[in-house]
Amino acid sequence: DTGVSQNPRHKITKRGQNVTFRCDPISEHNRLYWYRQTLGQGPEFLTYFQNEAQLEKSRLLSDRFSAERPKGSFSTLEIQRTEQGDSAMYLCASSFVLGSDNEQFFGPGTRLTVL
Amino acid sequence: LAKTTQPISMDSYEGQEVNITCSHNNIATNDYITWYQQFPSQGPRFIIQGYKTKVTNEVASLFIPADRKSSTLSLPRVSLSDTAVYYCLVGDIGSGGYNKLIFGAGTRLAVHP
Repeated sequence: DTGVSQNPRHKITKRGQNVTFRCDPISEHNRLYWYRQTLGQGPEFLTYFQNEAQLEKSRLLSDRFSAERPKGSFSTLEIQRTEQGDSAMYLCASSFVLGSDNEQFFGPGTRLTVL
Repeated sequence: LAKTTQPISMDSYEGQEVNITCSHNNIATNDYITWYQQFPSQGPRFIIQGYKTKVTNEVASLFIPADRKSSTLSLPRVSLSDTAVYYCLVGDIGSGGYNKLIFGAGTRLAVHP
C-alpha cells in the first residue's frame, strides 16, 4: 500500500496521560499536514511541515501539542496531559508540491478517546 | 481563505444525478475551487478542482459560473457507495498550492436504494 498510513488507528487513554501518533506519508511527498476532526465537523488544520521544517501552526495547537518530522519523512504528533476535549479523529495528509499542484492525500486517521 | 456555504444534507436515489451547490461570495481573483469527499472513518479524498467554466473528470463535473460566486458539483448516476460527506473549499493554490485546507461542515449526501 503506497498511501498515507497512520498508527495506531484507535487509541483510548485516561485523562492526564500522554499519547503519540505516527504518520507515514507517501514516499517523496515533501509536505505533511496534521488535521483534527470532531464528530459532525470538517477537519481543522493543526500544522504542516515542508520537509523537516514546521512552517505553520494553528492556534488550535496548544502548548500540550507537539509535532515533529525529524528526517523529513514520517511525523509524530504528541499530546501531553490529555483532556476529554482532545477526543477526536487526528488526520494526517501529505502532498508533493510542484507548481500549483498540491493535492493532499489523507490517511485513515487515528481516533483518540480520552476517558 | 474565502468562506463557503453549502447545504447541510441532501438525499437522492440510486441512478439519479446529484448536484451540490456551494456559495463563495467573497472568492478572490486567484482562488481555486476544490471539492473533497469523505466516507465514514476515512480521511477526505480529492474529487475535483477548477477555476472557471466547467471541469470534468471520471468521477464528477464542476460547474463554475462567470462571476465565480458559486459552484456546483455534479455526480452523475449516483450509487449507494456515493453516500458520503462532500466538502467545498476555496483558496489560492498559487505557487506551491494550498498551505492548508479550510473545511466547513460539508454536505452529507445519502443515496437510497
